[in-house]
Amino acid sequence: RKEVEQDPGPFNVPEGATVAFNCTYSNSASQSFFWYRQDCRKEPKLLMSVYSSGNEDGRFTAQLNRASQYISLLIRDSKLSDSATYLCVVNLWNYGQNFVFGPGTRLSVLP
Amino acid sequence: DAGITQSPRHKVTETGTPVTLRCHQTENHRYMYWYRQDPGHGLRLIHYSYGVKDTDKGEVSDGYSVSRSKTEDFLLTLESATSSQTSVYFCAISESVRGGNQPQHFGDGTRLSIL
Repeated sequence: RKEVEQDPGPFNVPEGATVAFNCTYSNSASQSFFWYRQDCRKEPKLLMSVYSSGNEDGRFTAQLNRASQYISLLIRDSKLSDSATYLCVVNLWNYGQNFVFGPGTRLSVLP
Repeated sequence: DAGITQSPRHKVTETGTPVTLRCHQTENHRYMYWYRQDPGHGLRLIHYSYGVKDTDKGEVSDGYSVSRSKTEDFLLTLESATSSQTSVYFCAISESVRGGNQPQHFGDGTRLSIL
């Protein structure tokens, strides 16, 4: 089993749609969780950290379920500019860095 | 954006030649990383550093060496480049804070082609 798994995608959605991405991780010792977005031929960029209580940043909502070892990202009112690959990232320690990346889920928002 | 500069941004070279990629940061972060990204494989860790002169191997370290003589610079060397090392290379940095939740930040990447 891979350490971090994501929906295989791609997701093709119309503008204005709500889309949800799922991510599961295998190591229960994982401490920190993040969502990154990566545009074609560009570097990954931090979208948001994921906190135990869940957190929201504008149209983006992240949830963490430690018991099920599951992370989600919800994008509301999708924009064309949201088209990218979304990477789920898990860090095994808070102060000894060991980041594990998921394979990514590609999103295309269509006009 | 985090102060991370990778150089060169693009390089084409021949099999068997040595290649050094440089990552420079202005954030004074403790941790620095080198990844490669290939289609179908996602991001894979090559080496990382947890301080000056402190480095460790990642999952795809064969054929690569690194050095960190200063906090701000992390060098990745391909001693004798092979075509299988054609890839996009990303440098990343992060800070460690006990009990914190510190993400990585990435440089723009280096596109390396080995013919």
